[in-house]
Amino acid sequence: QQQVKQSPQSLIVQKGGISIINCAYENTAFDYFPWYQQFPGKGPALLIAIRPDVSEKKEGRFTISFNKSAKQFSLHIMDSQPGDSATYFCAARYSSASKIIFGSGTRLSIRP
Amino acid sequence: DVKVTQSSRYLVKRTGEKVFLECVQDMDHENMFWYRQDPGLGLRLIYFSYDVKMKEKGDIPEGYSVSREKKERFSLILESASTNQTSMYLCASRGPGTNYGYTFGSGTRLTVV
Repeated sequence: QQQVKQSPQSLIVQKGGISIINCAYENTAFDYFPWYQQFPGKGPALLIAIRPDVSEKKEGRFTISFNKSAKQFSLHIMDSQPGDSATYFCAARYSSASKIIFGSGTRLSIRP
Repeated sequence: DVKVTQSSRYLVKRTGEKVFLECVQDMDHENMFWYRQDPGLGLRLIYFSYDVKMKEKGDIPEGYSVSREKKERFSLILESASTNQTSMYLCASRGPGTNYGYTFGSGTRLTVV
């Protein structure tokens, strides 16, 4: 049973467009929600993260939107660029432990 | 920057072999983790460790064990490798004050034949 459900599995966006990746969770014990970006041949790297008491966080072209009542959060990439082509993972951390649970990943391709 | 180094980029092992995957971090982090990454399944936690000689099972510990004799090194052991353990294995570490900032290694792609 996947504790963090991520969609879509793959996404193709034109250069300059908006990329949107969605995640949903059930466990209310999660207290941090990070997003990781992974390029081929590399390990995932932290991209941006949000706490559940904030509805939105923006860093440059990357924005997390968080809906606590719906238990959903999403990553928006504005003005998507070919260099954004990567696999993106949403994740959630248990408040009582250090461990993080990851979503299944979204392979994003930005077409020039 | 924290560096997490995994000793092998690619490994090919035979069914039934005992396999050791090594991970070293250089920033004195207390917490270290082993994940496996499979297409469509994301990253799944195998084992993690809060400190030297301490370990806890993750979500898929069956067929694996770990060792942490020194703070900087966390080893994943496949007691008797099987073909369903063919996967990408990722090690990560986390230090105090970095609530969600795991640092990952580049991964070891293990093929069991």
